[in-house]
Amino acid sequence: KQEVTQIPAALSVPEGENLVLNCSFTDSAIYNLQWFRQDPGKGLTSLLLIQSSQREQTSGRLNASLDKSSGRSTLYIAASQPGDSATYLCAVRPGSGSEKLVFGKGTKLTVNP
Amino acid sequence: DAGVIQSPRHEVTEMGQEVTLRCKPISGHNSLFWYRQTMMRGLELLIYFNNNVPIDDSGMPEDRFSAKMPNASFSTLKIQPSEPRDSAVYFCASTLTGAGDTQYFGPGTRLTVL
Repeated sequence: KQEVTQIPAALSVPEGENLVLNCSFTDSAIYNLQWFRQDPGKGLTSLLLIQSSQREQTSGRLNASLDKSSGRSTLYIAASQPGDSATYLCAVRPGSGSEKLVFGKGTKLTVNP
Repeated sequence: DAGVIQSPRHEVTEMGQEVTLRCKPISGHNSLFWYRQTMMRGLELLIYFNNNVPIDDSGMPEDRFSAKMPNASFSTLKIQPSEPRDSAVYFCASTLTGAGDTQYFGPGTRLTVL
């Protein structure tokens, strides 16, 4: 059974700092991996999706990497801003035959002005 | 597009009552997902449909939960009878299969069962 873990559960940093969020998964046979952002009281917004054949994806100040063999992904946020404060969730799609996603519990990020 | 629409946004009910949550997916999307989010268990998939057909309901906790998708633009998740442990935020998401795999989430329904 695929399990996804995100450490730390919470992170507080000063504005302008570069930071890395971590995600690990137990079964390396994945179809893709996604990073989502969740603001309080709202739904999830997809940030980046990495296919199993890819090593990384970039969007603006965000860069996500994938190392399937070690069961790890990182989300790098450059020059953090208070507006980046949110909970970041990692989700794995185990296989191509199912659209099911398995989520980690998230890392709550606070960027202090 | 209006995005995924869920109703109600908040629901407070008493134990034993029937609860119906509603979802309208993004027009043109052919897969619809129901998730439940709690502090203890995080975000869990309950069931998903493809072309209105239930594909995977292995996450439905028990017979008290049922979901339907009578057409491409509407789905319901029903809990009967409700229990306090069902209190959670329920999300609906939709996607167009094969078009990038990104799931688009609704704002959620916060359910409180007293």
